[in-house]
Amino acid sequence: SQQGEEDPQALSIQEGENATMNCSYKTSINNLQWYRQNSGRGLVHLILIRSNEREKHSGRLRVTLDTSKKSSSLLITASRAADTASYFCATAPGNEKLTFGTGTRLTIIP
Amino acid sequence: SQTIHQWPATLVQPVGSPLSLECTVEGTSNPNLYWYRQAAGRGLQLLFYSVGIGQISSEVPQNLSASRPQDRQFILSSKKLLLSDSGFYLCAWIKKSTGGETQYFGPGTRLLVL
Repeated sequence: SQQGEEDPQALSIQEGENATMNCSYKTSINNLQWYRQNSGRGLVHLILIRSNEREKHSGRLRVTLDTSKKSSSLLITASRAADTASYFCATAPGNEKLTFGTGTRLTIIP
Repeated sequence: SQTIHQWPATLVQPVGSPLSLECTVEGTSNPNLYWYRQAAGRGLQLLFYSVGIGQISSEVPQNLSASRPQDRQFILSSKKLLLSDSGFYLCAWIKKSTGGETQYFGPGTRLLVL
């Protein structure tokens, strides 16, 4: 079964608005990662947050992690049309495998 | 820099035919390698992973198999394809760093079994 579950499954916002996606997971983790997938392409790593971190920033991305609630959020600020993609969270219980969620499809309306 | 290649990019095969998808990584040595399948509009399902030559771990029972004949080569195979094998197949490798396991993905192979 999927370790990570993203919420919402789909999100449409106007360009310039902020987009927030959430991820919940079930077991303890070493780290949690977010990936982006453009239609028909491979996944691209966005950001990694370790289990002892609570918040991390990378450009217009902000990721939070709450290990007590087993949840994470990805915030994209000042969205652009190029941000249209599917976003996946992935958890690493150990050191060899990642378990991916089902993804959030983000559409930015110009 | 490291790059990962997959081929073919697209494949249409009849039910019952064999399959061979290839993945190669350049610019690194002794990577962990992974095969995922993604159904349309869905998440990724880990099929196989390998920590070294000849070492294959299978995550789900299926009619697919994997092999790693060389350090940077990972092959996904089937003797007889099923309709349910259709999907988007992604190969990935891990860049090991302290405290993290970032995966780098290939461009994928879209397989349609008819």
